Amino acid sequence: ELKVEQNPLFLSMQEGKNYTIYCNYSTTSDRLYWYRQDPGKSLESLFVLLSNGAVKQEGRLMASLDTKARLSTLHITAAVHDLSATYFCAGGGADGLTFGKGTHLIIQP
Amino acid sequence: DAGVIQSPRHEVTEMGQEVTLRCKPISGHDYLFWYRQTMMRGLELLIYFNNNVPIDDSGMPEDRFSAKMPNASFSTLKIQPSEPRDSAVYFCASSRDRFTDTQYFGPGTRLTVL
Repeated sequence: ELKVEQNPLFLSMQEGKNYTIYCNYSTTSDRLYWYRQDPGKSLESLFVLLSNGAVKQEGRLMASLDTKARLSTLHITAAVHDLSATYFCAGGGADGLTFGKGTHLIIQP
Repeated sequence: DAGVIQSPRHEVTEMGQEVTLRCKPISGHDYLFWYRQTMMRGLELLIYFNNNVPIDDSGMPEDRFSAKMPNASFSTLKIQPSEPRDSAVYFCASSRDRFTDTQYFGPGTRLTVL
């Protein structure tokens, strides 16, 4: 059974700073997803990582995947307030997605 | 495309009542997923369908929960009888395939069972 752990679960940071969210998973995963959820809203897809060494970037967010270490990271560069949200990683196995508990990110002006 | 559509957006009911949640996936998507989100348990996969056929329902909490997909554009999740511990946000998601495509989530149904 795939288990996905994120850390940290809560993160408060200032605008302009850099930080990384970590996502570890327990067994082989076909793929790794990152989602964003704003309060009271649905989940928005950010990245899909399909192979070892995959790196994807969108604006101030960059995601990477190391399948040997069973680790994905979501790096935030020069954070801005609009990036405040909860970020989920999810691993894909044979049967659907297993989500981490989410990282609640607050970026203060 | 309108995206994944769910109804109702909010549902308040009393314990013991039947609740039916509805989902219309994105046209052309062969996979449909039902998730439940609570503060305590996070996001949990309940069941998923491929080409209208239920593939894995191991996440369905108990027999009070049932799901159907009578055609490619409609799915229901039914709880009968409902209990207060079923209170949660229920999301429906769809994708084109299982391995490479992202899952697109609907807006969710916030269910409150009194």
